[in-house]
Amino acid sequence: NAGVTQTPKFRILKIGQSMTLQCTQDMNHNYMYWYRQDPGMGLKLIYYSVGAGITDKGEVPNGYNVSRSTTEDFPLRLELAAPSQTSVYFCASSYYVAERDTQYFGPGTRLTVL
Amino acid sequence: LAKTTQPISMDSYEGQEVNITCSHNNIATNDYITWYQQFPSQGPRFIIQGYKTKVTNEVASLFIPADRKSSTLSLPRVSLSDTAVYYCLVGDRNYGQNFVFGPGTRLSVLP
Repeated sequence: NAGVTQTPKFRILKIGQSMTLQCTQDMNHNYMYWYRQDPGMGLKLIYYSVGAGITDKGEVPNGYNVSRSTTEDFPLRLELAAPSQTSVYFCASSYYVAERDTQYFGPGTRLTVL
Repeated sequence: LAKTTQPISMDSYEGQEVNITCSHNNIATNDYITWYQQFPSQGPRFIIQGYKTKVTNEVASLFIPADRKSSTLSLPRVSLSDTAVYYCLVGDRNYGQNFVFGPGTRLSVLP
């Protein structure tokens, strides 16, 4: 299994541009998450999904959109990039089990908005 | 949302046992406590999870007192490769929006 994969690894955007961060998992997990991590800080939840067709906001959803058309994919959309969105973005997934629930993280996408 | 508090940083030497404590005074009845490890330029990696008392796996132990207002991650005999940031996560597994990462503890293991 590849686990959680994210593309691209790096990206530089100009203010006002749009882009989609891709996230795919091959573990048949029902839960998927998007986090952002600013330099020297912890992770903040942007959006999450409990299954295909179901998404909900996390702690910092403003400026982002998501969709979940399949179990495997959970893309994150930035419509009008702003310097405040410069961060490292991590996608994660998990499969809820009665005794334990573990999030598996992707390698991250480093985004710079200039 | 249950907020957590951890020491910002800790130093240790190789071979020592390291204990990192996380405070979560507002933990809810259904909340579990999960610890993750993160190396530079990588995503976090699950270490251990527990609800109460003590949990042990091949990597670490997790101690949770009866009032569950804090938890302690114990790493036995650390090595240089254990240098990383450790996050305490408190949230109900049934609802993803309640997962809140703490600020993390930067552990430096010295030779």
